[in-house]
Amino acid sequence: GENVEQHPSTLSVQEGDSAVIKCTYSDSASNYFPWYKQELGKRPQLIIDIRSNVGEKKDQRIAVTLNKTAKHFSLHITETQPEDSAVYFCAATLGYKLSFGAGTTVTVRA
Amino acid sequence: GAGVSQSPSNKVTEKGKDVELRCDPISGHTALYWYRQSLGQGLEFLIYFQGNSAPDKSGLPSDRFSAERTGGSVSTLTIQRTQQEDSAVYLCASSPQGTGADTQYFGPGTRLTVL
Repeated sequence: GENVEQHPSTLSVQEGDSAVIKCTYSDSASNYFPWYKQELGKRPQLIIDIRSNVGEKKDQRIAVTLNKTAKHFSLHITETQPEDSAVYFCAATLGYKLSFGAGTTVTVRA
Repeated sequence: GAGVSQSPSNKVTEKGKDVELRCDPISGHTALYWYRQSLGQGLEFLIYFQGNSAPDKSGLPSDRFSAERTGGSVSTLTIQRTQQEDSAVYLCASSPQGTGADTQYFGPGTRLTVL
């Protein structure tokens, strides 16, 4: 099965700075990579995703990059704001199964 | 439209009791997933339903866990003879088609505490 590793486990950034979260996956057949944001006590919400035929995707302050050769993908948040504080999960899809990373707790300091 | 709903939101039970957790997927979504999220951990796949196909139960941790989906809609996850290690948040998700690049939409979860 697929194995997804996510780093770092915690990340503290000053408001306005950038945050970067990195994930690696094990199965080269994985073809879809969503990122979810989970605020405390809330459900995971999809914030951005990327498919294996695309190298980079951007949505306002959020961007995701994918390196299929190295089997890693990253989430970049620019100009961080207090509302960006949450746990972020990366995931990789093999067939219909999503395998999740362990999560990164992001804290944005005002 | 309405999102994925789950009930109850919280469940406290005593060790050895059976519990049933319910999931109402988004109307029209053919695929339904159950996950378990232990404190501070990622999401662990439990079971997958797709239309009328046989479910993928490969993630169920023991035979005390079972799930069914009636009429291709509502799903119930049952845990028999609960143990303290079953304490976690149980999340349900649905997706339109259940294919590899299909977005999964999550419910709010049921927080299960086994005393």
